[in-house]
Amino acid sequence: EDKVVQSPLSLVVHEGDTVTLNCSYEVTNFRSLLWYKQEKKAPTFLFMLTSSGIEKKSGRLSSILDKKELFSILNITATQTGDSAVYLCAHRGNYKLTFGKGTLLTVNP
Amino acid sequence: EAGVAQSPRYKIIEKRQSVAFWCNPISGHATLYWYQQILGQGPKLLIQFQNNGVVDDSQLPKDRFSAERLKGVDSTLKIQPAKLEDSAVYLCASSEEINTIYFGEGSWLTVV
Repeated sequence: EDKVVQSPLSLVVHEGDTVTLNCSYEVTNFRSLLWYKQEKKAPTFLFMLTSSGIEKKSGRLSSILDKKELFSILNITATQTGDSAVYLCAHRGNYKLTFGKGTLLTVNP
Repeated sequence: EAGVAQSPRYKIIEKRQSVAFWCNPISGHATLYWYQQILGQGPKLLIQFQNNGVVDDSQLPKDRFSAERLKGVDSTLKIQPAKLEDSAVYLCASSEEINTIYFGEGSWLTVV
């Protein structure tokens, strides 16, 4: 059974700080790794990382995939209060997404 | 483009009662998913449909949960009888390709 582990489970920072969220995975057939942001509603898609695309960047958010060490990180620079959310990492298998438990990020003013 | 629609948004029931959730996926999406998200955890797949056939229901507690997708469009998820540990958000999602999965707003269930 595919397994996705995220750390830390929760994190509190001040505006302007840089944060790194971790995601490790043990899967039988790696296809891709996805990052989602979840506020008090449905998860919204951030990035997809595959063997052919191991680094993605969008504004203050960036993510890398290390296929050898089986992990991914999500970086957020110059954090803002609007970044407060649960960040979910998920592995895409053949037919489904397997999610980690998420990291609850709280950005204080 | 209309998103994934779910109802009801919120439901409070007593244990041993039954509840049903409805989902209308994005038009044309063949794949429909029901996820259960318990507070503090990531979403867990309950069942996945491809058109009106079941692809994966290995984590669906079949003694109390059931789901159907008649005509390959709308879907309902039913819980009967509900237990306290069923309190969660039930997320419906749909996709054409798995990389572009779209989630609904979720149905928040509290069992008391």
